[in-house]
Amino acid sequence: DQQVKQNSPSLSVQEGRISILNCDYTNSMFDYFLWYKKYPAEGPTFLISISSIKDKNEDGRFTVFLNKSAKHLSLHIVPSQPGDSAVYFCAARGGSEKLVFGKGTKLTVNP
Amino acid sequence: GAGVSQTPSNKVTEKGKYVELRCDPISGHTALYWYRQSLGQGPEFLIYFQGTGAADDSGLPNDRFFAVRPEGSVSTLKIQRTERGDSAVYLCASSSGGRSETQYFGPGTRLLVL
Repeated sequence: DQQVKQNSPSLSVQEGRISILNCDYTNSMFDYFLWYKKYPAEGPTFLISISSIKDKNEDGRFTVFLNKSAKHLSLHIVPSQPGDSAVYFCAARGGSEKLVFGKGTKLTVNP
Repeated sequence: GAGVSQTPSNKVTEKGKYVELRCDPISGHTALYWYRQSLGQGPEFLIYFQGTGAADDSGLPNDRFFAVRPEGSVSTLKIQRTERGDSAVYLCASSSGGRSETQYFGPGTRLLVL
């Protein structure tokens, strides 16, 4: 049973436009959420996180929104750049140190 | 400073063999984590160390898998009697400890069991 779901395996956007990556979770115990970016043959790189006491966190071009009642979070990238092309993983944590990851969304930003 | 390093970067072995995968965490990081990523999946938790002790090994799939961190720094993941289903990328991460601390990942070891 997948506790963290990324229902879109892939997303393609034009350079300069907004990229929106979505993530849903089922476990109400999750209280901390993270986004990681992964390039081929590399390990995941931390991007941005949000605590469940907040509904928004912003870092430069990246913003994460959390809707606790809907158990939904999203990552917005504005403006998107070709170098943002990668696989993005949503991860959650609650009650323990381990991270629970979604399956990832492959983002392609076209020049 | 140096990030998390993992060796070897690639490992090919035959079914039934024993393998060891090594992780060097970021200097000073007290927490160390092992994850496994199969094709088309996200990383899945295996085990977490705080210092020398395994604080949570609930993700180890069976008793063929074992991990150690004898001096609280380098960790070794050991897999006995490997099976083809063990083929995956094994990722190591470290953090400075604490639930809100970010986990930083190494590049992974790609294990292929023939």
